[in-house]
Amino acid sequence: EVQLLESGGGLVPGGSLRLSCAASGFTFSNSAMTWVRQAPGKGLEWVSTISSSGAATYYADSVKGRFIISRDNSKNTLYLHMNSLRAEDTALYYCAKDSSSWLNWGQGTLVTVS
Amino acid sequence: QSALTQPASVSGSPGQSITISCTGTSSDVGGYKSVSWYQHHPGKAPKLMIYEVIKRPSGVSDRFSGSKSGNTASLTISGLQAEDEADYYCCSYAAGNTHNYVFGTGTKVTVL
Repeated sequence: EVQLLESGGGLVPGGSLRLSCAASGFTFSNSAMTWVRQAPGKGLEWVSTISSSGAATYYADSVKGRFIISRDNSKNTLYLHMNSLRAEDTALYYCAKDSSSWLNWGQGTLVTVS
Repeated sequence: QSALTQPASVSGSPGQSITISCTGTSSDVGGYKSVSWYQHHPGKAPKLMIYEVIKRPSGVSDRFSGSKSGNTASLTISGLQAEDEADYYCCSYAAGNTHNYVFGTGTKVTVL
């Protein structure tokens, strides 16, 4: 069974934060991975995708230059390094398996930028 | 990239059919077969209901069906049930400088 467990969220006054997504139940190194977020009272927003090897990364314009997606295939873990955080980055952040048509999702980790 | 346009709300009685539209442009919905639909209960993980416009993942009820015409994709729920009450989002690949996806504005489905 595919399991994705996000962590690292919290209340931050701006600055930086690193989210993690621990994966199990599938061959992590064979799968692209994606971050999607939902701000309070708002819809879903695609944030970033990374290829299975980590060689290719893609970002939404809203986070480009501030967020960095990475992965450690030896640890089956996906990361989102969030810098220069803004109030509008406040959201529930989900990790999802694959680069599109996301069948498997985590439960999310909440980031609040005060 | 602007969000795809969905109606804010759609409602129906149990047993009825409803359709949710998702309107984009030729640079997203109209240009690619990569349109998907997600059911989302707040606080829970989104659930993939339709992918590649018309395909259903294993385990998703055949009461859910997808289609596309031009720049508008649609999700139809037939035989509406109380458990279908949720938020629904479409999502499409979008042309641009790089790999890019855009979600719809979301539709609240209410079962009367």
